[in-house]
Amino acid sequence: GIQVEQSPPDLILQEGANSTLRCNFSDSVNNLQWFHQNPWGQLINLFYIPSGTKQNGRLSATTVATERYSLLYISSSQTTDSGVYFCAVRDDKIIFGKGTRLHILP
Amino acid sequence: NAGVTQTPKFQVLKTGQSMTLQCAQDMNHEYMSWYRQDPGMGLRLIHYSVGAGITDQGEVPNGYNVSRSTTEDFPLRLLSAAPSQTSVYFCASSYARPWEKLFFGSGTQLSVL
Repeated sequence: GIQVEQSPPDLILQEGANSTLRCNFSDSVNNLQWFHQNPWGQLINLFYIPSGTKQNGRLSATTVATERYSLLYISSSQTTDSGVYFCAVRDDKIIFGKGTRLHILP
Repeated sequence: NAGVTQTPKFQVLKTGQSMTLQCAQDMNHEYMSWYRQDPGMGLRLIHYSVGAGITDQGEVPNGYNVSRSTTEDFPLRLLSAAPSQTSVYFCASSYARPWEKLFFGSGTQLSVL
């Protein structure tokens, strides 16, 4: 089955810094999503981005499906950005990476 | 619009007991799924369904049963709970074709003693 790898596994940044999270997948897919799990455990969909680039405020995402990766950019980090970021892809079922744990220091 | 509703939020079981985790969605989604989340393991797929009457196994199906008799409901059954099933369980749903955003329930914290 398809494999999904995320990097880095952990990231600690000072408030105001920028960050880039990466998601690699092992096979061709025509869909990809990014999620944020906040410190209370709630999972929120950030982007549905099978290809191209999307932006939502300080967050943006780019997927290059032909090269099998996606990037999530967070600019001007805030403490509320802390949590775990997951990417997920679908063949016949939806598979998640192990996530990147982001901790923003005040 | 309630979205994806999971019950209960917390549950403690003794080894060997059975229970059912409930999941319901009111968005007419064809795709429904169950994940478990363990520290350092991310979200692992247990079972999924692409429509009423259709279920299939995910990455970690052993010890769990599911059924999909209606579009709205997708219960997860533990027939004989084991300590290895201590975890946080999430239900999620989406449209199947085309696949769009996946929506999650709030989770169930299960402890098996």
